[in-house]
Amino acid sequence: KQEVTQIPAALSVPEGENLVLNCSFTDSAIYNLQWFRQDPGKGLTSLLLIQSSQREQTSGRLNASLDKSSGRSTLYIAASQPGDSATYLCAVAPKTSGSRLTFGEGTQLTVNP
Amino acid sequence: DGGITQSPKYLFRKEGQNVTLSCEQNLNHDAMYWYRQDPGQGLRLIYYSQIVNDFQKGDIAEGYSVSREKKESFPLTVTSAQKNPTAFYLCASSTRTGGSYTEAFFGQGTRLTVV
Repeated sequence: KQEVTQIPAALSVPEGENLVLNCSFTDSAIYNLQWFRQDPGKGLTSLLLIQSSQREQTSGRLNASLDKSSGRSTLYIAASQPGDSATYLCAVAPKTSGSRLTFGEGTQLTVNP
Repeated sequence: DGGITQSPKYLFRKEGQNVTLSCEQNLNHDAMYWYRQDPGQGLRLIYYSQIVNDFQKGDIAEGYSVSREKKESFPLTVTSAQKNPTAFYLCASSTRTGGSYTEAFFGQGTRLTVV
């Protein structure tokens, strides 16, 4: 059964720092991996989708990488801002499960002004 | 504006009552999903549907029921058999593309509280 782990569970940084969030998964047979952002009491907002054939995706200050062989993905946030404060969730779509996603428990990020 | 709409935003259920959460999408996606989120835990899949008139149980289906009569709609009923229904419920959709799937889009959630 696919398991997704996110480290660290919580992270607090000063504004302007570059930071890395980690995601690992146990089964490399996946369709894709997706990073989401969740603000308190809100739904999930999709940040980046990496298909299994891709190595990385970029959107603005965000860069996500995927290494299927090692079962790892990282989300890099450049020049962090207080508005980046949220919980970041990683999810994979295992090939054994069709389109359903398996989620990690998230990293709660606080960026201090 | 394309997206997923969940209603209501807040819902209160009395003991022994069934309640239905609404989820509508206008993204023309084939697949729809219901997740449950509890404090400090990741999202857990309740039910999903990959095509109209068909759906499958997820990891925590007991005490829940769904229907998929239209492509756009995937309502979730929380029955009285669900012993601990207080949680945040999220609906999502995606669709098949080539040999993979598109990104999943989520609604804004419904917070259900038992009173």
